[in-house]
Amino acid sequence: KQEVTQIPAALSVPEGENLVLNCSFTDSAIYNLQWFRQDPGKGLTSLLLIQSSQREQTSGRLNASLDKSSGRSTLYIAASQPGDSATYLCAVLAPSGSARQLTFGSGTQLTVLP
Amino acid sequence: DTGVSQDPRHKITKRGQNVTFRCDPISEHNRLYWYRQTLGQGPEFLTYFQNEAQLEKSRLLSDRFSAERPKGSFSTLEIQRTEQGDSAMYLCASSLASGPATNEKLFFGSGTQLSVL
Repeated sequence: KQEVTQIPAALSVPEGENLVLNCSFTDSAIYNLQWFRQDPGKGLTSLLLIQSSQREQTSGRLNASLDKSSGRSTLYIAASQPGDSATYLCAVLAPSGSARQLTFGSGTQLTVLP
Repeated sequence: DTGVSQDPRHKITKRGQNVTFRCDPISEHNRLYWYRQTLGQGPEFLTYFQNEAQLEKSRLLSDRFSAERPKGSFSTLEIQRTEQGDSAMYLCASSLASGPATNEKLFFGSGTQLSVL
């Protein structure tokens, strides 16, 4: 059974710092990995998707990397802003029986202090 | 609005009552997923549909839960005889699975927050 772990569970940084969020997964047989952002009481917003054959994806100040063989991904946020405060979730899409399933970590709650 | 829509946004009910949630996926998306999320946890998979066929159900989905997608468009999730442990955010997602699995990207709605008193 696929398990996804995110470290740290919570992180507080001053505005302007660069930071790294970590995600690990137990089964490397994945199709892709997605990073999501979730604001309190809201749904999920997709940030980046990395296909299993890719090593990284970039969008603005965000860069996500994937090392499938070691079961790890990182989300790098450059020059953090208070508006980046949210919970960041990683999820892997993998085979599940004859279908596919997206399995989530518990998230990292990020607070960027002005 | 061309995103995934969920209705209602919030539902408060008494223990033992039945509730039904609705999800309207992105137009032309052939896959629809239901997830449940409790406070401080990531979403957990409940079930998913490919068009109108329900292809997989989690063990989390007890007999009190039923989901339908009758015409392969919108979906409903019904919970019968609600219990306090059913209190959670219920999230719907859709995707277009027309190419390699590596390309499949799920888009989520804003969720329905259920509180069972």
